[in-house]
Amino acid sequence: AQRVTQPEKLLSVFKGAPVELKCNYSYSGSPELFWYVQYSRQRLQLLLRHISRESIKGFTADLNKGETSFHLKKPFAQEEDSAMYYCALGNSGGSNYKLTFGKGTLLTVNP
Amino acid sequence: DGGITQSPKYLFRKEGQNVTLSCEQNLNHDAMYWYRQDPGQGLRLIYYSQIVNDFQKGDIAEGYSVSREKKESFPLTVTSAQKNPTAFYLCASSDPRRGGYTFGSGTRLTVV
Repeated sequence: AQRVTQPEKLLSVFKGAPVELKCNYSYSGSPELFWYVQYSRQRLQLLLRHISRESIKGFTADLNKGETSFHLKKPFAQEEDSAMYYCALGNSGGSNYKLTFGKGTLLTVNP
Repeated sequence: DGGITQSPKYLFRKEGQNVTLSCEQNLNHDAMYWYRQDPGQGLRLIYYSQIVNDFQKGDIAEGYSVSREKKESFPLTVTSAQKNPTAFYLCASSDPRRGGYTFGSGTRLTVV
């Protein structure tokens, strides 16, 4: 079974501080991992995916298969980063593709 | 604001009534999904469809029904059997060859 754990419901940091949102997963196959972000009054949108290895809005995430983690990091948080963040795990594709989401972490960046 | 359109944005229903939420996409995606979003619960999968005229139950399908008669459309009916229907409902679509989802803006259903 697929499972995603985001241990922190709430995370509060000050502007300019580093931020790390934790995500751990459980999956027997080859994982496909994503981070989605939901800003206030906006729709959920893709932030980044592990396959592309790109940095979006200064955020990065590295897939660690040994620790089954996909933590999201940013060296210097900005106030506009305040949002709800969801980690998601995709199954191995094929004809039954679906994402399993964690319960989310609400990030607040204080001035 | 393109891709996936959910309507209406807000919906009120009396207890005992069925209600249908609309989801339309023009992305030519084969797969479509319905999730329910509750505070502290994250997103939970209700139903999904990989192809026209076919759909599967997700983790919390009881009290819901869907149809997929057209590639572009995947309406969700919340029936009177759903014990706790007040929630925010999200529709998504996916191109499995690329992975990930595109989401709609959601419908907030309130039972009064």
